[in-house]
Amino acid sequence: AQSVTQPDIHITVSEGASLELRCNYSYGATPYLFWYVQSPGQGLQLLLKYFSGDTLVQGIKGFEAEFKRSQSSFNLRKPSVHWSDAAEYFCAGPNDYKLSFGAGTTVTVRA
Amino acid sequence: NAGVTQTPKFRVLKTGQSMTLLCAQDMNHEYMYWYRQDPGMGLRLIHYSVGEGTTAKGEVPDGYNVSRLKKQNFLLGLESAAPSQTSVYFCASRTGVNYEQYFGPGTRLTVT
Repeated sequence: AQSVTQPDIHITVSEGASLELRCNYSYGATPYLFWYVQSPGQGLQLLLKYFSGDTLVQGIKGFEAEFKRSQSSFNLRKPSVHWSDAAEYFCAGPNDYKLSFGAGTTVTVRA
Repeated sequence: NAGVTQTPKFRVLKTGQSMTLLCAQDMNHEYMYWYRQDPGMGLRLIHYSVGEGTTAKGEVPDGYNVSRLKKQNFLLGLESAAPSQTSVYFCASRTGVNYEQYFGPGTRLTVT
């Protein structure tokens, strides 16, 4: 089945430190892949997307993600985390007419 | 351009009551979706629509009905609410070209 998985349920990071969130996918062909962010009490906002081409994708809020076919991964990174990055992050990929979402990774930022 | 809007934002129901959640989008999107989000469960797809007049079941359709009479609106109905339907409901839409979904702000429903 086509799906994405996020191995980490919760990550705590210090403000100013780097952040990497993992996403693994299981698709035969090159998939569309997405990262969404959900701040507390809010809806989901698209951070970035990968369709094809350059494997390093830049998104909003200083985030980037790298598509690695050899590792079936699409990990999200940010070099220096801000307190406002505390949120839940979802990786997603297509599944028939729908999107298949990972279970989400909650990021806590400590001062 | 309001994007995806949801009405109401909050609602409290008693067990057995009915209600309809309205999702509206002004982007002329073909596809629309209803999800529910519960702690530790992520996003689960309830129903979706691939075009005006069409609907299809998602992962957790029991206890819900939907209608897509107009392209811009997607209604989610609860005929007889149960406490298990306490959740946050999100609507989303997308074009037919790629899979990028645009989400509404959510409706927080409590069934007592």
